[in-house]
Amino acid sequence: QKEVEQNSGPLSVPEGAIASLNCTYSDRGSQSFFWYRQYSGKSPELIMSIYSNGDKEDGRFTAQLNKASQYVSLLIRDSQPSDSATYLCALNSGNTPLVFGKGTRLSVIA
Amino acid sequence: NAGVTQTPKFQVLKTGQSMTLQCAQDMNHNSMYWYRQDPGMGLRLIYYSASEGTTDKGEVPNGYNVSRLNKREFSLRLESAAPSQTSVYFCASRFNPSTDTQYFGPGTRLTVL
Repeated sequence: QKEVEQNSGPLSVPEGAIASLNCTYSDRGSQSFFWYRQYSGKSPELIMSIYSNGDKEDGRFTAQLNKASQYVSLLIRDSQPSDSATYLCALNSGNTPLVFGKGTRLSVIA
Repeated sequence: NAGVTQTPKFQVLKTGQSMTLQCAQDMNHNSMYWYRQDPGMGLRLIYYSASEGTTDKGEVPNGYNVSRLNKREFSLRLESAAPSQTSVYFCASRFNPSTDTQYFGPGTRLTVL
């Protein structure tokens, strides 16, 4: 059974700090990894995808993948109150639907 | 492009009533999905269609049926609604099921009394 584990939070960080969100997974065959952001009452929206080991940066967001240790993380630099949301980790392994974690709730305190 | 659209946005049903949730995408995606999301439970896959003409059960298919009407449209039907089906329903789609990310519709908030 493919599983994706996330700390449910809430993770509280002060405005301007770095928020670090982590995700571990069980399926070593997983190939593609995604981070979605979901505001309360809204649908999930993609913010980052990562396919190979290492770091991938996009603006204030950095995704990190370590396939040997089976974890993927998302760093948010200079956190803003508008970053307060639930962050969902998802992975793809083969020709099957994405597997989602339950999400980590992030609260950025002004 | 409208992306993924869902109708209705809100619906209230009485126990035993039936209804169909509609989903359409204009991105020429091959695969489409239906999820439900309940507080503390995360997204749970109900049914999916990997390509036009195929449908498969997900994690929680009981009480639901689906129809992939054509490449654009994928509907979800509740034949006899139950209070346990009160939830937010999301439709999603993607072009390539082996690599691409999924794009979500805005959701339908369903309450069954």
